[in-house]
Amino acid sequence: DAGVIQSPRHEVTEMGQEVTLRCKPISGHDYLFWYRQTMMRGLELLIYFNNNVPIDDSGMPEDRFSAKMPNASFSTLKIQPSEPRDSAVYFCASRLDRDRDTEAFFGQGTRLTVV
Amino acid sequence: AQKITQTQPGMFVQEKEAVTLDCTYDTSDQSYGLFWYKQPSSGEMIFLIYQGSYDEQNATEGRYSLNFQKARKSANLVISASQLGDSAMYFCAMSSLPASSASKIIFGSGTRLSIRP
Repeated sequence: DAGVIQSPRHEVTEMGQEVTLRCKPISGHDYLFWYRQTMMRGLELLIYFNNNVPIDDSGMPEDRFSAKMPNASFSTLKIQPSEPRDSAVYFCASRLDRDRDTEAFFGQGTRLTVV
Repeated sequence: AQKITQTQPGMFVQEKEAVTLDCTYDTSDQSYGLFWYKQPSSGEMIFLIYQGSYDEQNATEGRYSLNFQKARKSANLVISASQLGDSAMYFCAMSSLPASSASKIIFGSGTRLSIRP
């Protein structure tokens, strides 16, 4: 398997524009997580899905953020409208659901810059 | 609510020495898991080691071992014989295993480890 695939790797956009980040989890994984990493706040869990169903979106900062998982192999994180404070690295991770804990596998991240 | 605390923002260690990175956690769950990840300057997140709350023995993976003290709620990472390539950011993480809902993973603030030649 190619691992968790995120696109784009880098995104530069102007304030007010819509931004869509994409993630393809590892095939067969049951969980999908979206994290945001900044110097100030570290790694924040934004939202996570189990079997394509959103379980906890309490980490989503504002209504400007939304995430979907229409099927087991694809998820999006959308910011509309974007603001400079949204600049960060956004990670997607997936995880297999088994009887015991399993680690989460991370994508390479999308570095978002909003100017 | 679950919480992970890493109190060492940065550490410097001489090459070939052992190093311990601290991690304490707080949870009311009976079952949980503890993880350590490494993030080199290239940015990727690399899984290192896992410890289950129900595991009686400390986890080991090569030069990495996890010093798990359940009563103290600590899960320190020990790297033996440090190498220059160990210079990176290290994150402690915890998964919750509540009975009736899915399990999430939360991270501490990280420790930046620098290995001196």
